[in-house]
Amino acid sequence: GAVVSQHPSWVICKSGTSVKIECRSLDFQATTMFWYRQFPKQSLMLMATSNEGSKATYEQGVEKDKFLINHASLTLSTLTVTSAHPEDSSFYICSARDTSGETQYFGPGTRLLVL
Amino acid sequence: AQSVTQLGSHVSVSEGALVLLRCNYSSSVPPYLFWYVQYPNQGLQLLLKYTSAATLVKGINGFEAEFKKSETSFHLTKPSAHMSDAAEYFCAVSDRGGNKLVFGAGTILRVKS
Repeated sequence: GAVVSQHPSWVICKSGTSVKIECRSLDFQATTMFWYRQFPKQSLMLMATSNEGSKATYEQGVEKDKFLINHASLTLSTLTVTSAHPEDSSFYICSARDTSGETQYFGPGTRLLVL
Repeated sequence: AQSVTQLGSHVSVSEGALVLLRCNYSSSVPPYLFWYVQYPNQGLQLLLKYTSAATLVKGINGFEAEFKKSETSFHLTKPSAHMSDAAEYFCAVSDRGGNKLVFGAGTILRVKS
């Protein structure tokens, strides 16, 4: 149980294009999902908290107009990187909080490379 | 504010030896504490968690951790290392609302044959 998937696992795009990443909780409902970013050899940094049916809460320093988050259902949240630039290249990981509210389960991550 | 300090960015042990990964936390409220493992190019897998029940927590793959409030520590141990344990390990803290996780910098575990 408690499986979270992400799609795609890898994406390469040209500078200026937009990229959408999906995060799905496969066997449980998640009213709250989280989006993290991980740079090489670094820890995870929380970007935003996504609540089903409401606007996401962004961490300080994260541009909400650049990283659009939609949490349309209890099993799906999407992160869209708009007008991507090479500095947006990173490993993006989502997590979903279980119904107990205690634990976050993580997806396998999406590696984004912007050329 | 909450924070996590993982002592030692790299730990190297021999196969069969004791694994000890250190984690100290700072929290102004009673915390939830977690250990996650990350294999290369993968997401994080939950090893174990402390959420106010028993202070000695057993997790998957033979790992366990002990919550010591007086020392503000939550060190991860395994009696006998296996080659497959080689990975990066993250300690994390959250408040009891299950809100955002704050991660430590991570410890890379190497297992020598």
